[in-house]
Amino acid sequence: EAGVTQFPSHSVIEKGQTVTLRCDPISGHDNLYWYRRVMGKEIKFLLHFVKESKQDESGMPNNRFLAERTGGTYSTLKVQPAELEDSGVYFCASSRSNEGVGGYTFGSGTRLTVV
Amino acid sequence: AQSVAQPEDQVNVAEGNPLTVKCTYSVSGNPYLFWYVQYPNRGLQFLLKYITGDNLVKGSYGFEAEFNKSQTSFHLKKPSALVSDSALYFCAVRAFSGSARQLTFGSGTQLTVLP
Repeated sequence: EAGVTQFPSHSVIEKGQTVTLRCDPISGHDNLYWYRRVMGKEIKFLLHFVKESKQDESGMPNNRFLAERTGGTYSTLKVQPAELEDSGVYFCASSRSNEGVGGYTFGSGTRLTVV
Repeated sequence: AQSVAQPEDQVNVAEGNPLTVKCTYSVSGNPYLFWYVQYPNRGLQFLLKYITGDNLVKGSYGFEAEFNKSQTSFHLKKPSALVSDSALYFCAVRAFSGSARQLTFGSGTQLTVLP
């Protein structure tokens, strides 16, 4: 099966601009997660979708971040307006609804640089 | 709140020597514990997990990890390191109980195996 696909792989934008990251999960995976790693620190949870519904968005840093998953397929994460501290690597992961524990598949990540 | 500590940012080891990457955790109740590896320009790849049972867990690529409840540790080990093991390693924890599915990661340890 195809893996989790994220694009773009890299994005460089200016402070104040808008960027949209996309994640295509593995087909049939109801669970979709966004994580990010900022400045070499730990990877932090952002939010969790079950199909098109936000199950847990407790990790979203502020209202400049908006995640959607229309139709329960791919997801987008929009940052508007971007700030310098948003630079980092954004990971997406997906799993089946009966994943058991730890059955995530991660994408390669999008490296976002805000200048 | 749950947390993970990886006390070493960098671990260097000679090829053929045993390697250890350290991880300690804090979680309410029993933990699910994981190790992931990230090779350059690749996504996070699952290595192994501890759920219950035998404290010594064997995973991919000859890696193993030992769960030590009294020391709240889950160190990653390999008897004989390969140059190809050079990568970024992340330890993660999830609480055994509760509805939250997200993982809490450590800050990562860069392993370099020297030829």
